[in-house]
Amino acid sequence: GAGVSQSPSNKVTEKGKDVELRCDPISGHTALYWYRQRLGQGLEFLIYFQGNSAPDKSGLPSDRFSAERTGESVSTLTIQRTQQEDSAVYLCASSNGFYNEQFFGPGTRLTVL
Amino acid sequence: GQQLNQSPQSMFIQEGEDVSMNCTSSSIFNTWLWYKQDPGEGPVLLIALYKAGELTSNGRLTAQFGITRKDSFLNISASIPSDVGIYFCAGPIERGGNQFYFGTGTSLTVIP
Repeated sequence: GAGVSQSPSNKVTEKGKDVELRCDPISGHTALYWYRQRLGQGLEFLIYFQGNSAPDKSGLPSDRFSAERTGESVSTLTIQRTQQEDSAVYLCASSNGFYNEQFFGPGTRLTVL
Repeated sequence: GQQLNQSPQSMFIQEGEDVSMNCTSSSIFNTWLWYKQDPGEGPVLLIALYKAGELTSNGRLTAQFGITRKDSFLNISASIPSDVGIYFCAGPIERGGNQFYFGTGTSLTVIP
């Protein structure tokens, strides 16, 4: 079956521009996570969606970051007024419940010039 | 934020050797997860641990959930070239909400 997919795979943008990253979770998975991974580092939690509950946004680093998810489908992560420090790989994962295995997408590599 | 400290940071071993890496935290974890990440890909779950003291194997991999719930180790026996990658520990802390914390990673290189 299809795994988690993310688009675009690579994004190069200029400082100050807005970017939108997309995640298609595994069908039927109620939970969806976004993480940021800087070069050579571990994953940094950004936001968690569970079904129709209010998302846990506690990991978002600033108000320039926002994410949406409609029901149990696609999610988009938006970064406004991008800064060079936003350059990283953004990973999305989905699972069938909080304590269940998270399946990761291949990530979107964002480069802010 | 929370710190999950992994050691060693990197390892260079000969094919066939055994490998051991560990993860420690100042916080109590409810669950310990071990992931492997290949270049350009997302992490893949290797082993999940749910109880203090639990010892779980998956093929050549063995992991343990520390009694204090603040640490875990992962062993790989008889390493092979495809074991190359970055290994991360991860989990949610007790009363930590929905955040999953990931360790700093152990980079493994296997020399044929």
